Amino acid sequence: GQQLNQSPQSMFIQEGEDVSMNCTSSSIFNTWLWYKQDPGEGPVLLIALYKAGELTSNGRLTAQFGITRKDSFLNISASIPSDVGIYFCAGRHSSYKLIFGSGTRLLVRP
Amino acid sequence: KAGVTQTPRYLIKTRGQQVTLSCSPISGHRSVSWYQQTPGQGLQFLFEYFSETQRNKGNFPGRFSGRQFSNSRSEMNVSTLELGDSALYLCASSPGGTTGGNEQFFGPGTRLTVL
Repeated sequence: GQQLNQSPQSMFIQEGEDVSMNCTSSSIFNTWLWYKQDPGEGPVLLIALYKAGELTSNGRLTAQFGITRKDSFLNISASIPSDVGIYFCAGRHSSYKLIFGSGTRLLVRP
Repeated sequence: KAGVTQTPRYLIKTRGQQVTLSCSPISGHRSVSWYQQTPGQGLQFLFEYFSETQRNKGNFPGRFSGRQFSNSRSEMNVSTLELGDSALYLCASSPGGTTGGNEQFFGPGTRLTVL
């Protein structure tokens, strides 16, 4: 199935470090969403972006909707152990279905 | 508001059997989407229902079907199960409509194992 190009695939960082991950697409999207998934659970919505250039924060998380509408990034500042999980980007264009990235697995070393 | 609920949480079936999974969306949400999640393929869109009508469909064989009831609860059915159907099946709800409701909220999923 169609997927977004999400990178990096995994990250192993030291507690306190900042983290950055991004998604790119060949298609233009009207919406970008960022989710986090813990083992055995469903994804939890972190941030939703609706306009090109939009920059939105949720606590230590910041995400941006790229100007070209074909990319988005998520930053996590001052990482903590509970940030561990898999982060997914998801994009939507004119149809109603979401297309998901392949995920970024984040591991945080205390 | 209560979140999205899915039942059962875990299911073990054998090849050739069929299975029905259930999803109750957040109260007031009219759109329900279903996804299959596997380690190799990631999150793959199955279909979306809005006001009891299938509004969008992914690229899955006809063995995968769904429906939505008047109370917005949804079920998905998989017939003639294959080993490759083993996955986490996720349901997501959103308000739906054309003016908003882009945000989807996921349930905990149903872990299906096919033996």
